[in-house]
Amino acid sequence: DQQVKQNSPSLSVQEGRISILNCDYTNSMFDYFLWYKKYPAEGPTFLISISSIKDKNEDGRFTVFLNKSAKHLSLHIVPSQPGDSAVYFCAASSRSSNTGKLIFGQGTTLQVKP
Amino acid sequence: DADVTQTPRNRITKTGKRIMLECSQTKGHDRMYWYRQDPGLGLRLIYYSFDVKDINKGEISDGYSVSRQAQAKFSLSLESAIPNQTALYFCATSGTGNTQYFGPGTRLTVL
Repeated sequence: DQQVKQNSPSLSVQEGRISILNCDYTNSMFDYFLWYKKYPAEGPTFLISISSIKDKNEDGRFTVFLNKSAKHLSLHIVPSQPGDSAVYFCAASSRSSNTGKLIFGQGTTLQVKP
Repeated sequence: DADVTQTPRNRITKTGKRIMLECSQTKGHDRMYWYRQDPGLGLRLIYYSFDVKDINKGEISDGYSVSRQAQAKFSLSLESAIPNQTALYFCATSGTGNTQYFGPGTRLTVL
């Protein structure tokens, strides 16, 4: 059973516009969420995270929103740049379990067109 | 230099062969993880380790084994490789927080 889902396998946006990547989760024990970016032939790199005590976290062009009641989070990239073209994974964890384990979604491939 | 390194980066092997993938880190983290990535399935946890004496199975450990030789080294072995183990394999490390740092990956093909 997929506990973390990214239902859009791909997304294409124009340079300068907003990119919105979505992620849904089912396990109410998850209390920490992360986004990773992955370029071809490289490992995933940490992008931004959010704790369940917050509903928004912002870092430059990247903002993550968390809606706990809907068990939904989203990553906004504004403005989108061609260098943002990559696969984006959301991940969730339960800090109370103290295992550090992350559960990943399937990934969304973002293409930003010049 | 990269904080998390993996060797080899690419490997082609035959069904039934034993193969070892190695991971080293210079971040000084205690926790290390092995994942595999398959198209459409994201990253799935194979094994994880909190220190050299603490090894734990992840969600897909069947057909795999690991060895934590030192704080900085964590190896993944396929005792008898099979074609459905063809995948991208990633090693990751973390400190006391939940953010994990990944190596560049190993592309494994089992013929």
